[in-house]
Amino acid sequence: GENVEQHPSTLSVQEGDSAVIKCTYSDSASNYFPWYKQELGKGPQLIIDIRSNVGEKKDQRIAVTLNKTAKHFSLHITETQPEDSAVYFCAASYSNQAGTALIFGKGTTLSVSS
Amino acid sequence: DTEVTQTPKHLVMGMTNKKSLKCEQHMGHRAMYWYKQKAKKPPELMFVYSYEKLSINESVPSRFSPECPNSSLLNLHLHALQPEDSALYLCASSLAVSTDTQYFGPGTRLTVL
Repeated sequence: GENVEQHPSTLSVQEGDSAVIKCTYSDSASNYFPWYKQELGKGPQLIIDIRSNVGEKKDQRIAVTLNKTAKHFSLHITETQPEDSAVYFCAASYSNQAGTALIFGKGTTLSVSS
Repeated sequence: DTEVTQTPKHLVMGMTNKKSLKCEQHMGHRAMYWYKQKAKKPPELMFVYSYEKLSINESVPSRFSPECPNSSLLNLHLHALQPEDSALYLCASSLAVSTDTQYFGPGTRLTVL
């Protein structure tokens, strides 16, 4: 079935360093890839997304890259700050007879120490 | 405004109780979703509504009963739950049930005793 693998499961960086989280997906028909940030006690918040017709997208300190051939996409956070500490989930779209939905990776707990 | 609201924030119920979770959005979105999230796990899709019709049911037990009274509201009726159903229940919405961006609410933390 459809699957999204996410690595690493935990990531600790010093403030100001960069953080990279990687995901691979199994469904070659997937064409939408969002990233969510979830802080303790809150719902997931969309931070950036990319569609299959684009290879890279950037929004200030956050960027996402997509390699459709390898079925691989990554989140890059530069100049990390303590408030970036959270759980990050990648997701990929999948379709079946009933419709289209998202399947999530298992999450990465990012800790940024000052 | 990309806000999805959920009530209640917390809910404690016994295994014989009947309760309902509520979700509301006023963004004009026509797709709404229920997810279940256990601690330290990703959200798991339960139900998808598209234009107020149930589009996807991910083999969820019948003790969970969704309802979409109109395009802005989504309910999840709970009956005869088990302790293992304790989780964070998240509602989300998107413009359409295709690959559009999904916006999540803050969730309802459910504890079943």
